[in-house]
Amino acid sequence: EDKVVQSPLSLVVHEGDTVTLNCSYEVTNFRSLLWYKQEKKAPTFLFMLTSSGIEKKSGRLSSILDKKELFSILNITATQTGDSAIYLCAVVTSSGSARQLTFGSGTQLTVLP
Amino acid sequence: NAGVTQTPKFQVLKTGQSMTLQCAQDMNHNSMYWYRQDPGMGLRLIYYSASEGTTDKGEVPNGYNVSRLNKREFSLRLESAAPSQTSVYFCASSLTGTRGYTFGSGTRLTVV
Repeated sequence: EDKVVQSPLSLVVHEGDTVTLNCSYEVTNFRSLLWYKQEKKAPTFLFMLTSSGIEKKSGRLSSILDKKELFSILNITATQTGDSAIYLCAVVTSSGSARQLTFGSGTQLTVLP
Repeated sequence: NAGVTQTPKFQVLKTGQSMTLQCAQDMNHNSMYWYRQDPGMGLRLIYYSASEGTTDKGEVPNGYNVSRLNKREFSLRLESAAPSQTSVYFCASSLTGTRGYTFGSGTRLTVV
């Protein structure tokens, strides 16, 4: 059974802090790893990672994948209250021609002013 | 730019009632998915359709049925709702299933 585990489950920080969110996985037929941000409604896409060691960056957010150790991290620097959300990690796997997306339970990030 | 449209947004059912959640996408995506999200559980896959004409069970299919009506539409049916099915339901679609998943805005379902 595919498994994706995120830690911590929740995190409270103050504006300006840097946070690191963790995602480890045990899956068969790994294709890619995705990070999403979820505020009130639907998850919105942040990053897709397929290769080890290549950092993806978007403003204050960055992410990296380690396919040997089977984990990914999402870093957020100089946090703002608008970063408060649930951050979801998901792994895409393949079974024949079908693709599936398995999610972790998410990290609830709260940024206080 | 509608993307993925889910209806209804909210629904309250009594135990034993049936209902169908509708999902439509206008991005010409091949794959469509239904997830449920419960507190502390992330999103769990109920059913998916890799392409028009095919459907497969996901992690938590019991109590649900699906229909891939055409390439655009993928519906989720609860035949006899139970309180354990109280959840937020998300539909998603993807062109290839490897990248570019787009989610609908969700349906909050309460079964009393």
